[in-house]
Amino acid sequence: AQSVSQHNHHVILSEAASLELGCNYSYGGTVNLFWYVQYPGQHLQLLLKYFSGDPLVKGIKGFEAEFIKSKFSFNLRKPSVQWSDTAEYFCAVPADYKLSFGAGTTVTVRA
Amino acid sequence: KAGVTQTPRYLIKTRGQQVTLSCSPISGHRSVSWYQQTPGQGLQFLFEYFSETQRNKGNFPGRFSGRQFSNSRSEMNVSTLELGDSALYLCASSPGQVDSPLHFGNGTRLTVT
Repeated sequence: AQSVSQHNHHVILSEAASLELGCNYSYGGTVNLFWYVQYPGQHLQLLLKYFSGDPLVKGIKGFEAEFIKSKFSFNLRKPSVQWSDTAEYFCAVPADYKLSFGAGTTVTVRA
Repeated sequence: KAGVTQTPRYLIKTRGQQVTLSCSPISGHRSVSWYQQTPGQGLQFLFEYFSETQRNKGNFPGRFSGRQFSNSRSEMNVSTLELGDSALYLCASSPGQVDSPLHFGNGTRLTVT
């Protein structure tokens, strides 16, 4: 079964620092991948998605992710974080009409 | 466009009771999925419905059940509640393709005492 893993459980940054969150997927064939974000007290929102084509995917709020097939990775990046980026971030892979989520990474941005 | 609506937002139940959670999907979405979110287990898939048919089910005991109505609204039922069922239950909707991104509701926070 397709799955994803996130190795960073909690990341603490200062404002304006760069962010990179790791996500590795298990499947070697065609794969679609998502990043979701859950702000405190809010619902899960789609940040960006990769289906095919350009491996560099841009999402909302200045986030981007790069699909690297040779490394089975789909890392999330943001060049300069803001306090409002404090949230939990989930990598996910769709298969069989369900999403399999990674364990999530809590990002705390200090002002 | 209205988002996914889940009711109620909060529930407190006692062990042994049963509970029904409700979800109204985004208009036009025919797929509804349910997930359980806990600090220890993260986001776990419960089941998915499309046009009133369950297409996939996660690894939860039979006490967890669901259904979908002809208007795509869905309900989830948990019988004989256990303390470990305390969690945030999330509903998500999508048009229904196998790799469609999901749109999530705010969830129902269930506390079992």
